[in-house]
Amino acid sequence: GDSVTQMEGPVTLSEEAFLTINCTYTATGYPSLFWYVQYPGEGLQLLLKATKADDKGSNKGFEATYRKETTSFHLEKGSVQVSDSAVYFCALRGGNKLVFGAGTILRVKS
Amino acid sequence: EPEVTQTPSHQVTQMGQEVILRCVPISNHLYFYWYRQILGQKVEFLVSFYNNEISEKSEIFDDQFSVERPDGSNFTLKIRSTKLEDSAMYFCASSESPTGAYGYTFGSGTRLTVV
Repeated sequence: GDSVTQMEGPVTLSEEAFLTINCTYTATGYPSLFWYVQYPGEGLQLLLKATKADDKGSNKGFEATYRKETTSFHLEKGSVQVSDSAVYFCALRGGNKLVFGAGTILRVKS
Repeated sequence: EPEVTQTPSHQVTQMGQEVILRCVPISNHLYFYWYRQILGQKVEFLVSFYNNEISEKSEIFDDQFSVERPDGSNFTLKIRSTKLEDSAMYFCASSESPTGAYGYTFGSGTRLTVV
């Protein structure tokens, strides 16, 4: 079945460091791909999405490119802030539902 | 910005009791979902609902679970006889389209604790 694999965390970075969170997927066909963010004590918020190969999703300085060849959708940000500390979930749409990765905790120190 | 509202934010219940988790989806959305997240684990799909019917459900969604849209605005998840392992954060979500082309909007969740 469909699945999403994310790099394990926690990822600890200093402010202004470069961020990469790896995400790869297994699916039939070419699913839509998403990154969701969960801030402490809050629900899941859509961060960005891409619906077809080579699409780049971007929001709030975060970017991810849908790579069909490597079945990947890695999340990047050039300069993280303390306020980016959260759990990041990669997900794909399989059928009529989302399939999530395990989540990656990001901690940013000032 | 429109949001999905869930109540209560936290519920504690005794094992064997029935609980109802409530959600108000975004008003023009037609597709509704429940997901759950056991502490420290991944977010798991439970059920999707459209046109007053379940359109898909996971293995987790057994006979102890049911969903209902009792009126034009609420969407509920009922657990008939709670078990300790039902303790989790339950998220409601809604979308305009079945493909989530415009994204799925999630509520802030209900933390269910079964004691």
